[in-house]
Amino acid sequence: DAGVIQSPRHEVTEMGQEVTLRCKPISGHDYLFWYRQTMMRGLELLIYFNNNVPIDDSGMPEDRFSAKMPNASFSTLKIQPSEPRDSAVYFCASRPGAGGGYEQYFGPGTRLTVT
Amino acid sequence: GDSVTQMEGPVTLSEEACLTINCTYTATGYPSLFWYVQYPGEGLQLLLKATKADDKGSNKGFEATYRKETTSFHLEKGSVQVSDSAVYFCALSAENNNDMRFGAGTRLTVKP
Repeated sequence: DAGVIQSPRHEVTEMGQEVTLRCKPISGHDYLFWYRQTMMRGLELLIYFNNNVPIDDSGMPEDRFSAKMPNASFSTLKIQPSEPRDSAVYFCASRPGAGGGYEQYFGPGTRLTVT
Repeated sequence: GDSVTQMEGPVTLSEEACLTINCTYTATGYPSLFWYVQYPGEGLQLLLKATKADDKGSNKGFEATYRKETTSFHLEKGSVQVSDSAVYFCALSAENNNDMRFGAGTRLTVKP
């Protein structure tokens, strides 16, 4: 299996622009998670999906952030408008459903820089 | 709520030294416990896991034992290498939660 795939790997954008991060989970996994990692705040869970349905979005920092999962093989995290404080590494992770174990498999991350 | 506490870093060791990174947890029921490793510029990779009390997870020379009596899951390695330099995260996944709780991470640097 190719593992969790994220694109782009690096994104540099100007404040106010829209940013879309993409994730393809491991085939057959029922859960998908979006995380943000910064030096100051460490690893934060933003939102997670089960069978394409958002279950908990309490970690989404504000209305500028939105996430979708239109099908089992694709998810997006959008920031509109972006701000310099959104600069971070964003990770997507997936895991199997019930009975498949609780470990999550992480993608390589997208490093976002907002200037 | 469920949480994980791990020793703060950074930790700097010489090659072939012994490593212990402490991790304790708070959870109801019987969580599964994990150690993840993050190499520079990469995502988190599962290093080892244990799903029930007294289980020992092991991989690449690293070990950790699930101790329910002390609510601990300390990571150990008898002889570290330069290539072990990375950030290590302790994590738990509880029976009644679908998400995973991570510790703050411990940065390990191994010098030749």
